[in-house]
Formats: sequence, structure tokens, C-alpha cells
Amino acid sequence: AQKVTQAQTEISVVEKEDVTLDCVYETRDTTYYLFWYKQPPSGELVFLIRRNSFDEQNEISGRYSWNFQKSTSSFNFTITASQVVDSAVYFCALSEAWGNAGNMLTFGGGTRLMVKP
Amino acid sequence: DAGVTQSPTHLIKTRGQHVTLRCSPISGHKSVSWYQQVLGQGPQFIFQYYEKEERGRGNFPDRFSARQFPNYSSELNVNALLLGDSALYLCASSPDGYEQYFGPGTRLTVT
Repeated sequence: AQKVTQAQTEISVVEKEDVTLDCVYETRDTTYYLFWYKQPPSGELVFLIRRNSFDEQNEISGRYSWNFQKSTSSFNFTITASQVVDSAVYFCALSEAWGNAGNMLTFGGGTRLMVKP
Repeated sequence: DAGVTQSPTHLIKTRGQHVTLRCSPISGHKSVSWYQQVLGQGPQFIFQYYEKEERGRGNFPDRFSARQFPNYSSELNVNALLLGDSALYLCASSPDGYEQYFGPGTRLTVT
């Protein structure tokens, strides 16, 4: 069975601070995909990134970066120089590889990030 | 291109009633999935459809059913509503089976 754990329920930072959101996952599959989604107060889940289990390269996109480590089953997300607009609930998710038919996402419980001015 | 659309935005129902939620995927996407998100929790997978066939079902009772139409839009039906069915229902479509793009959701309140 798949499981995703986001141990940090809430994080509060002051604008311009760096913040890391932790994600630990469990799966018995050798091929899987990891995701991060952002959910602002409006409620819509916004796709941020997808990584597959064969690619452990870290990725950077602007102020966002992701650290994938298979050895510790972690896929952490760092926001550099946080801004008030980053305030949202962030979800880490895991899926097995079903192929072109799609996949089932297993979500963590989410981390609420509050960035204060 | 338009994103995933869902209707209605909000809905209030009484216990025992049934409800139908609708979803239109992004143009070209053939896979649609449904998730339930209870307040304060992560979304839980309900169904996944691809080319009008059910490809996956989560741990939900038979009161929940869904279907996908030839134009790839989808409906989620819930019968005999319970107070615990109150949640945000999210629809997601996928272009390649891996990246899922979510709609704004339908907030269902059961009284």
C-alpha cells in the first residue's frame, strides 16, 4: 500500500525567509511518480512538479526547488525568499505507474504555509 | 485553453437525497479522476475513468458511482447522502496518465 506523510501540519515564516516542506513516502513499487500541489484558499489544486522514481536529480524552478532522495524515501520542497503569495496548503502525492490509462494519486495530509509580511 | 471545469460550484443537500456532480476535462485529455477532500485533509481517490471505462476505484461505498461520456466529460453520482459526505469534490484530467490537472471543485454540504 502507498502512503505519504507530511509531518509538518503548519509552518509560519516571515517574508523572505527560506522554508522547506518535508514529504516522506512508502511504496513497494520500483516505478512510481511523486508530485507536489499547491492549494490556495480558492480551493483549486495547482500542479507544481512531477518526478519519476528513476530520476533523482534535484530540480529548481525560480524560487522553488525539490530534493528527491530514494535512500530516505523523501521528496522535500524548498521555497527560497518566501512571499506572502506563497501562503497556501501544499500537498505531496505519490502514484504508481499505471501507464496511459492514468493513475491514482495518494496524497499526504498537507502542510499549511503562512507567510507573514 | 480552458482548464478543467466543474459544476455546480456549491451545493446544499439534505440527508438521504442524491446528487450529481459534473466535470469537463481539458481538451484532449481522455482520463478523468474524482477525489473527495474533507476539510483539513488531503484528497482521497474515488474513481478514475479512461476512454469511458472505469480504471480504478477507491475505498468508497457503492453509493458512489460515476461514468464518462463519449466527449470525455464525467459525472459523479452519490446516493443516500450522509452528513459525512460533506466535502470538496475535485475532478482531475490527465494528458498522459501521469500529470493530473484539477478543477476548482464542487463544495457539497449535506444537512
